[in-house]
Amino acid sequence: GQSLEQPSEVTAVEGAIVQINCTYQTSGFYGLSWYQQHDGGAPTFLSYNALDGLEETGRFSSFLSRSDSYGYLLLQELQMKDSASYFCAVRDDGGYQKVTFGTGTKLQVIP
Amino acid sequence: DTEVTQTPKHLVMGMTNKKSLKCEQHMGHRAMYWYKQKAKKPPELMFVYSYEKLSINESVPSRFSPECPNSSLLNLHLHALQPEDSALYLCASSQEAGTGAHEQYFGPGTRLTVT
Repeated sequence: GQSLEQPSEVTAVEGAIVQINCTYQTSGFYGLSWYQQHDGGAPTFLSYNALDGLEETGRFSSFLSRSDSYGYLLLQELQMKDSASYFCAVRDDGGYQKVTFGTGTKLQVIP
Repeated sequence: DTEVTQTPKHLVMGMTNKKSLKCEQHMGHRAMYWYKQKAKKPPELMFVYSYEKLSINESVPSRFSPECPNSSLLNLHLHALQPEDSALYLCASSQEAGTGAHEQYFGPGTRLTVT
C-alpha cells in the first residue's frame, strides 16, 4: 500500500519560518502536492513538485527529493491565518487519477 | 469561476433514509472525485469519474452510489447508511485525469450525520 507520514502537530511563532516534512512510500510516483485546510473548510491546493528541487510560490515553498522519498513545505513570514492543517499528497501506482493524502500536520501559529 | 459547489452543507439522516449529495463545477474540468473525511484525518478517496465515466471505485460499500449526469455535475446517492458513515464528504475536480490532475479544486463539503 501507499503511506505518507507527516508530523502530527507543529507550533511556530508569527513572523517565523516553519518546515513541514513528508516522507512517502509508494509503488509508483507521479509527483507530490501540498494542500492547506482550515478547520471546517475545504482543502486548498498550495503547490506541486514533479521533479527534484525547490518550487517557490510567494511565502510558500515546496521541496522534493525523489531519491529520498521525501519532501517538505516551507512557510515563511508566518501569519496567524496560516494556522491550519497541511497535507502532502501523491499520485501513485493506482493510476494518474488516484491521489493519496498524507496523515496531515496541524500548524498552530502563536503571537 | 474556480468554484466547486456542494449541496447540502449539512445533512442528518436516519439509517433507513435515502438521500443524495450534489456537486457542481463550471471550470470545464473532466475529472471529478468524491472523498470522505473523518475528523482530524486526511481525505480518503472514494470514487473518480473521468470524462463522465467511473474510473476508480476504492472498494466503497454499495450503500454509496455515485452518478455523473454530465461533465459539470456529480451526485452521491446514499441509502441504508450506518452511523460510522458520519463524516465530511468532499467533492473535487481537476482539469483532467492526466497532466492537469495534480491540482484539485475542492468544494466546501457536506457534513453528514447518520442517526
